[in-house]
Amino acid sequence: DGGITQSPKYLFRKEGQNVTLSCEQNLNHDAMYWYRQDPGQGLRLIYYSQIVNDFQKGDIAEGYSVSREKKESFPLTVTSAQKNPTAFYLCASQDSANTGELFFGEGSRLTVL
Amino acid sequence: SQELEQSPQSLIVQEGKNLTINCTSSKTLYGLYWYKQKYGEGLIFLMMLQKGGEEKSHEKITAKLDEKKQQSSLHITASQPSHAGIYLCGADPSGNNRKLIWGLGTSLAVNP
Repeated sequence: DGGITQSPKYLFRKEGQNVTLSCEQNLNHDAMYWYRQDPGQGLRLIYYSQIVNDFQKGDIAEGYSVSREKKESFPLTVTSAQKNPTAFYLCASQDSANTGELFFGEGSRLTVL
Repeated sequence: SQELEQSPQSLIVQEGKNLTINCTSSKTLYGLYWYKQKYGEGLIFLMMLQKGGEEKSHEKITAKLDEKKQQSSLHITASQPSHAGIYLCGADPSGNNRKLIWGLGTSLAVNP
């Protein structure tokens, strides 16, 4: 079945360590997104990519990095420069030619101790 | 910056009751999306509205977009425990379907 897979589901890290969250899709979608979700706040866009080897900063890109070397994959690295990294991270993909509907993964919960 | 306001913030209803969730923008929107989320999980697409006055239904859920394309409502008829979760509205403020803006969500509990 087609879908979007995030891993790991839960992740614990110490302060100062970089962490990479995986996002893979087999929907053949061109566009992929990373959002951060915190209690009491709406989804906030971190980075997005419309095509392989290209990506743009979202509203809260500081302290994060991404790569888009393959159409299927859009990993997010949470660096030690991110001041408050503990959050729920959601990856999504989008078929640009269609209605614009986003397909979301199940999310990754990162806790920095 | 443009924001989406969702109301109510939370809702507890008895099974079988109808309910409405609202999503309001101060500016005209190009598209309005409704998603459902179970706590700690991803978002599931419900419906998308693009035209002023548009109305869509899926099973017992109906979503409407007003003529000005600034307000949308999500109505659930004869609620069931399976309807429980967080309902989020997202909107396209610029017409490019890329950088959506999001409401804070409405948490719905349905008591059997």
